[in-house]
Amino acid sequence: EVQLVESGGGFVQPGGSLRLSCAASGFTLSSYWVHWVRQAPGKGLVWVSRINSDGTIIDYADSVKGRFTISRDNAKNTVYLQMNSPRAEDTAAYFCARDNQLGYNYYLDVWGQGTTVTVSS
Amino acid sequence: DIQMTQSPSSLSASVGDSVTMTCRASQGIGSHLNWFQQKPGKAPKLVIYIASSLRSGVPSRFSGSGSGTHFTLTISSLQPEDFATYYCQQSYSIPWTFGQGTKVEIK
Repeated sequence: EVQLVESGGGFVQPGGSLRLSCAASGFTLSSYWVHWVRQAPGKGLVWVSRINSDGTIIDYADSVKGRFTISRDNAKNTVYLQMNSPRAEDTAAYFCARDNQLGYNYYLDVWGQGTTVTVSS
Repeated sequence: DIQMTQSPSSLSASVGDSVTMTCRASQGIGSHLNWFQQKPGKAPKLVIYIASSLRSGVPSRFSGSGSGTHFTLTISSLQPEDFATYYCQQSYSIPWTFGQGTKVEIK
């Protein structure tokens, strides 16, 4: 079965750090770009970051730039999101998703179940 | 950033009804538009990609249309499992952006 599984969420204090993981099974993650999307409680979906298949192209939302770092270990079929200096407004469910492509069109076709991050003192 | 605006924010309908929701982009995005269904406590699921392509396994009562700045998602003959929140999302330029969602509720 093709799936993504996130882990690493939990409680973290403002200014602390947390690393989220996104592990793939049923397909070779190294062939795909991967995105992180978050959803604050009761709110909508917000794009956070993306990384290309070999880790050489990376983008971030302005709200996390300079604080979050996306990376990947293709040998482990895993993508990471390192969250440094988190703020209360980073409290959310974090989803990783596979970026599929048809020509020059891109879409997130496989999503993990999400991992919840709560930033609080 | 490209702003995506969905309307209505919520709608009430009965099983068997046909419903249409709209998504507008703040600038032209061609057909780089995807639709997702999300149920409470669950991950989003891709329903329509590239504006009008039905994702494999999704019932044919779902259809998408539009290009440029105006897009629609139609569900013909609503089924109980279709009651959820639907989000549009543009993949034309970074940062990718989502609409605020349309919640489909049972009348």
